[in-house]
Amino acid sequence: GAGVSQSPSNKVTEKGKDVELRCDPISGHTALYWYRQSLGQGLEFLIYFQGNSAPDKSGLPSDRFSAERTGGSVSTLTIQRTQQEDSAVYLCASSLTPTYEQYFGPGTRLTVT
Amino acid sequence: AQTVTQSQPEMSVQEAETVTLSCTYDTSESDYYLFWYKQPPSRQMILVIRQEAYKQQNATENRFSVNFQKAAKSFSLKISDSQLGDAAMYFCAYRSTDAGGTSYGKLTFGQGTILTVHP
Repeated sequence: GAGVSQSPSNKVTEKGKDVELRCDPISGHTALYWYRQSLGQGLEFLIYFQGNSAPDKSGLPSDRFSAERTGGSVSTLTIQRTQQEDSAVYLCASSLTPTYEQYFGPGTRLTVT
Repeated sequence: AQTVTQSQPEMSVQEAETVTLSCTYDTSESDYYLFWYKQPPSRQMILVIRQEAYKQQNATENRFSVNFQKAAKSFSLKISDSQLGDAAMYFCAYRSTDAGGTSYGKLTFGQGTILTVHP
């Protein structure tokens, strides 16, 4: 079956613009995670969805960041009024349940100019 | 909160030789999972091996094995018979098993170790 997919693969945007990053998890996986990988901060957790429960947003760095997961499947990470420090690779992962292995997508490289 | 430390930013190994990547972590939990992930230039994170803390036996996956020292909070990865395809960034990661805790589900990563394999 298909793995986790993310789109776009690369995104270049101007400072101050809004961007949306998409993640399609593996079918049937109830848990979905967003991570950010940057040179200065390494790999850090952003947000986690599990089934119909309220998401764990504890890793979101500011209120410019938000995410939603529609129908328990596709997720969109939105960054409003992008800043240069938002430049990073955004990785999405999914797992059958939180106790199972996380499978990662190829990531979206975001560059804010 | 848990922390994971990889003290080797870069390592290199000759093809067919053995290399060990180090990882230490800090936690107050008694049960948890530890992982090694590989990230080649394609950016795709690939699970290499996992270890459950309650299991004393070290995990092994073909040429990859770990040395899990729970008391010392150490979790090193040994790659035997290194191959050119092993060249990548390697991340050590921790995951809590406490369903009621704030860390449940999410991975905490180390800083990564870049592994170069010389032919």
